[in-house]
Amino acid sequence: DVKVTQSSRYLVKRTGEKVFLECVQDMDHENMFWYRQDPGLGLRLIYFSYDVKMKEKGDIPEGYSVSREKKERFSLILESASTNQTSMYLCASSLIPGQGGGSNQPQHFGDGTRLSIL
Amino acid sequence: SQKIEQNSEALNIQEGKTATLTCNYTNYSPAYLQWYRQDPGRGPVFLLLIRENEKEKRKERLKVTFDTTLKQSLFHITASQPADSATYLCALGDDKIIFGKGTRLHILP
Repeated sequence: DVKVTQSSRYLVKRTGEKVFLECVQDMDHENMFWYRQDPGLGLRLIYFSYDVKMKEKGDIPEGYSVSREKKERFSLILESASTNQTSMYLCASSLIPGQGGGSNQPQHFGDGTRLSIL
Repeated sequence: SQKIEQNSEALNIQEGKTATLTCNYTNYSPAYLQWYRQDPGRGPVFLLLIRENEKEKRKERLKVTFDTTLKQSLFHITASQPADSATYLCALGDDKIIFGKGTRLHILP
């Protein structure tokens, strides 16, 4: 089974801090994604990557950046955390490469990081 | 703009009955449609994928239909059990995947 592991289940940070969320997958998937999930808004795509060192903006990239130095690891960075970035963050991976992310393969999700910015 | 709609109201179904969830979409012609299950505090888990040229797909007690004319997918759980209680998300996309907001399903014992 695919395993997607997010480094923290819960995280509390202060406004203005630089925050790193880490995600590792063990199935050699090309695609990796970062979403945030908020009540009433559903899952929203922040960034995705279809290859090492490649990244594409999703629907809400403002205030975030990403890094993919190795195929198995995809990091989300909050450059200067703000209270409106308090959310559940979900990482996912999928098998088929494609610049658009590709929807003909399932996405495998981690269990999320619940981030609170105070 | 592309839009996916799932029932925002929770769905309560008696144990043993069939639960039917609806996913409608507009301004889109997806090649694929997926259904996921999400439990509280966990990430979504993939259940089924159906292609635009498939009318119906089954997996154990689950059945999904995909009507590209109505722009609608129905997700059925037959012989429902309390363990089926969760939020169910539909997702569709051709180039980039888009998720619905999900429908909470409660199976009452």
